[in-house]
Amino acid sequence: DTAVSQTPKYLVTQMGNDKSIKCEQNLGHDTMYWYKQDSKKFLKIMFSYNNKELIINETVPNRFSPKSPDKAHLNLHINSLELGDSAVYFCASSQDTASETQYFGPGTRLLVL
Amino acid sequence: SQKIEQNSEALNIQEGKTATLTCNYTNYSPAYLQWYRQDPGRGPVFLLLIRENEKEKRKERLKVTFDTTLKQSLFHITASQPADSATYLCAQNSNSGYALNFGKGTSLLVTP
Repeated sequence: DTAVSQTPKYLVTQMGNDKSIKCEQNLGHDTMYWYKQDSKKFLKIMFSYNNKELIINETVPNRFSPKSPDKAHLNLHINSLELGDSAVYFCASSQDTASETQYFGPGTRLLVL
Repeated sequence: SQKIEQNSEALNIQEGKTATLTCNYTNYSPAYLQWYRQDPGRGPVFLLLIRENEKEKRKERLKVTFDTTLKQSLFHITASQPADSATYLCAQNSNSGYALNFGKGTSLLVTP
């Protein structure tokens, strides 16, 4: 069984569109994260939620809005997509905010044309 | 601001040799450093964590060191195999404590 899953795996869309990426973890973890990996493979934190509450927002444009309907799910909605949003987006989870080890999903490859 | 650097973008070694990857950090003293492995098209997978009060940690053929004076961690893979070929990422806890700051990674290629 997949511990951290993301859908879709690939997303190709036009500039200006709005899209969502979904993430689910079945590990019973309290904390979830969104990371962005750009074309240079640099992995950078975007958001973190703990028990459905936002605890990190790393100067991400407000076109990006995370939503956590419950602690097993963390979705990412992106409005007015731009070319620079093209990247791989990884969801991750950890037991709680004090846990160091994070478990990553397989990634969503977003291409904005 | 925190900075974590993996100076080698790529490392090629022959099967059976020891691979040594370097991670340096500046502007912040992390409580721990972690090493992850990332294969093409996949998410990072946790390998090892070493705390600031530990000098060395081992797991099977993997060894990690943490030198707080040099502000450096070394990651060793002994008796390397072609299956060890992947990108290895170093990460430190962020100063907020809730997320990880990753280095850019070192792409390791082990040839038969």
